[in-house]
Amino acid sequence: SAVISQKPSRDICQRGTSLTIQCQVDSQVTMMFWYRQQPGQSLTLIATANQGSEATYESGFVIDKFPISRPNLTFSTLTVSNMSPEDSSIYLCSVALGHHSYNEQFFGPGTRLTVL
Amino acid sequence: GENVEQHPSTLSVQEGDSAVIKCTYSDSASNYFPWYKQELGKGPQLIIDIRSNVGEKKDQRIAVTLNKTAKHFSLHITETQPEDSAVYFCAASTSGGGNKLTFGTGTQLKVEL
Repeated sequence: SAVISQKPSRDICQRGTSLTIQCQVDSQVTMMFWYRQQPGQSLTLIATANQGSEATYESGFVIDKFPISRPNLTFSTLTVSNMSPEDSSIYLCSVALGHHSYNEQFFGPGTRLTVL
Repeated sequence: GENVEQHPSTLSVQEGDSAVIKCTYSDSASNYFPWYKQELGKGPQLIIDIRSNVGEKKDQRIAVTLNKTAKHFSLHITETQPEDSAVYFCAASTSGGGNKLTFGTGTQLKVEL
C-alpha cells in the first residue's frame, strides 16, 4: 500500500476565490487521481494526474476550473478555481501502483472544503 | 460508460449478525471490483477486492462474491461488530480503462448493540 497525505485537511473559503490542495505520497506511484465527494454522496472522478503532462479530465470537469499539476511521481496538486457554494465537497486524491485496471487504488484522507 | 448500482442504501443489523451489500454493473468489460469502507471524516479504505477470473474471495470476516453472467457482486460481513459501522462503497474498473473506478452510491451500515 501507500501512505497518502493531503493539505489542507479542511478549509472554509469565500466565493470567487481559489484553493490549492496538495497530495503527497510516501513512495513513487504510477497513477494519481483526484475525486470529488459531494455531501452524503458517492465519489466521482475529476481527472487523472499525469506526470509531466496535462491531466486527463472526465466528462463535466474542465482544466480552467480544476487545474492539476503533477511535477513528479510522489506529488500532485488540485486547484479549485473561482469557487462557488456548489464546490463545497470533500476532495480526495488516490494512487495506484500500476496502470492496469486491476491494480489496487488507495485514497488519502480528503480535504473538506466549504465555500460560503 | 460503466454504471454501478448499489443496494441497500442503509442497513441496520444486530451485533453478531451478518450483513450483505449488493452491487450490479453494466459494462461486461469490467474486470476488477474493489470494496471500500469509509468512516466519518476519513478517506475510503480498501477492504477487499476481486478480479473477474475469481468467483469468491474471503478475508477473515469479510467475503466478496462475483457473478459475471449476471453482472453482480456482493460484500458479505459475518459476525458484525460495532466497529463495522461505516459507509461501504463498491466500485468497478474496466479493462482498457486504466485504473478509473466507477463507484456505487454507498451503503450506510449500522451495527447495533
